[in-house]
Amino acid sequence: EVHLVESGGGLVQPGGSLRLSCAASGFTFTSSWMSWVRQAPGKGLEWVANMNQDGLKKYYVDSVRGRFTISRDNAKNSLYLQMNSLGVDDTAVYYCARDDVGGYYNYWGQGTLVTVSS
Amino acid sequence: EVVMTQSPATLSVSPGERATLSCRASQSVSSKLAWYQQKPGQSPRLLIYGASTRATGVPARFSGSGSGTEFTLSISSLQSEDVAVYYCQNYNNAKTFGQGTKVEI
Repeated sequence: EVHLVESGGGLVQPGGSLRLSCAASGFTFTSSWMSWVRQAPGKGLEWVANMNQDGLKKYYVDSVRGRFTISRDNAKNSLYLQMNSLGVDDTAVYYCARDDVGGYYNYWGQGTLVTVSS
Repeated sequence: EVVMTQSPATLSVSPGERATLSCRASQSVSSKLAWYQQKPGQSPRLLIYGASTRATGVPARFSGSGSGTEFTLSISSLQSEDVAVYYCQNYNNAKTFGQGTKVEI
């Protein structure tokens, strides 16, 4: 059974940093593109970033490029999102998701809440 | 960026009736369109990919159609457990989601 478990969310002040983690199991992590998708409170879904299997291809939504960094450790079956210079607009539940071959998401984690507030 | 526009924002349907949700892309996404269901307090669940292929375990009452810029998700006979927000997603050109359609009884 596939499991994606996010951690690392919490309350952070504007301008601060946070690192999210996602532990994956139940599928071949090393063969999978992985993504972060976020959802602001009461709002819709927004793709944030994704990366390929070996980490050499990384893509970001314009609003986070230069502030967020996606990375992975295939030896630990883990995905990460380093978030710097956080602003109130970054407040959201952050989901880790597995990209299927086509680019849609067949597996999602339960999400971790990031709250940016003073 | 491909903008995905869903309509209506809210859809009220009686149990057993048909629900029809629309999704329009600002430019062609071919058939690279997925639909997700999100119930309150839960993560999204993949329903449809490739515009019309049901994901594993999705009931047959859910069906998707369309290509290019116009897509439809149909629920043939609405059940109480289908109350949720439904999102479409383009994965042809970057990854963008619609704003969602809330389905209520």
